[in-house]
Amino acid sequence: ETGVTQSPTHLIKTRGQQVTLRCSSQSGHNTVSWYQQALGQGPQFIFQYYREEENGRGNFPPRFSGLQFPNYSSELNVNALELDDSALYLCASSSGGAGTDTQYFGPGTRLTVL
Amino acid sequence: SQQGEEDPQALSIQEGENATMNCSYKTSINNLQWYRQNSGRGLVHLILIRSNEREKHSGRLRVTLDTSKKSSSLLITASRAADTASYFCATAVPTGFQKLVFGTGTRLLVSP
Repeated sequence: ETGVTQSPTHLIKTRGQQVTLRCSSQSGHNTVSWYQQALGQGPQFIFQYYREEENGRGNFPPRFSGLQFPNYSSELNVNALELDDSALYLCASSSGGAGTDTQYFGPGTRLTVL
Repeated sequence: SQQGEEDPQALSIQEGENATMNCSYKTSINNLQWYRQNSGRGLVHLILIRSNEREKHSGRLRVTLDTSKKSSSLLITASRAADTASYFCATAVPTGFQKLVFGTGTRLLVSP
């Protein structure tokens, strides 16, 4: 167990809807990263939050947005859902912002878009 | 896009045998990490090797890193059925923030 939790476990939405996924980071960690993992692929980096600020972003459109709260928990919001957004969404917590420490992953949220 | 490529894509062995997985990557890195994933669930961190290290051990795991060839290998010795999972290498690229770039994974099946 990494101490990183995510909710919900599974989610089904229809195209065009909006979704919010949640992540609680491991105690003592101030950095949260989000990844999207399509079926049969490796995870792809969406963005990272450090001390409530976005400090890095991958190749994802602006309809993917996030928040980090003072307790370092985080949300991933996706607007105008598309069928290709169906994937496992993983959050990972770590310490140090720009450091090179290990990232500890949560169990993921499986999103299905119909 | 994926930075790393794991080889082989799938590996099937018997309990007690050793399993070797290879990873190649394209750019300079701060470190390289190996993760395990069971049945599409969360990733479990196995081992981290820094760019100035050449070999690292953790229990039954041995990782090597060759930065001149931009490659790494993961050896699992005396494999068990519980080792059945997908294994991913992930490189921490020097971007100023902690971005992991994952490979495509190796699916390992260990039969009793």
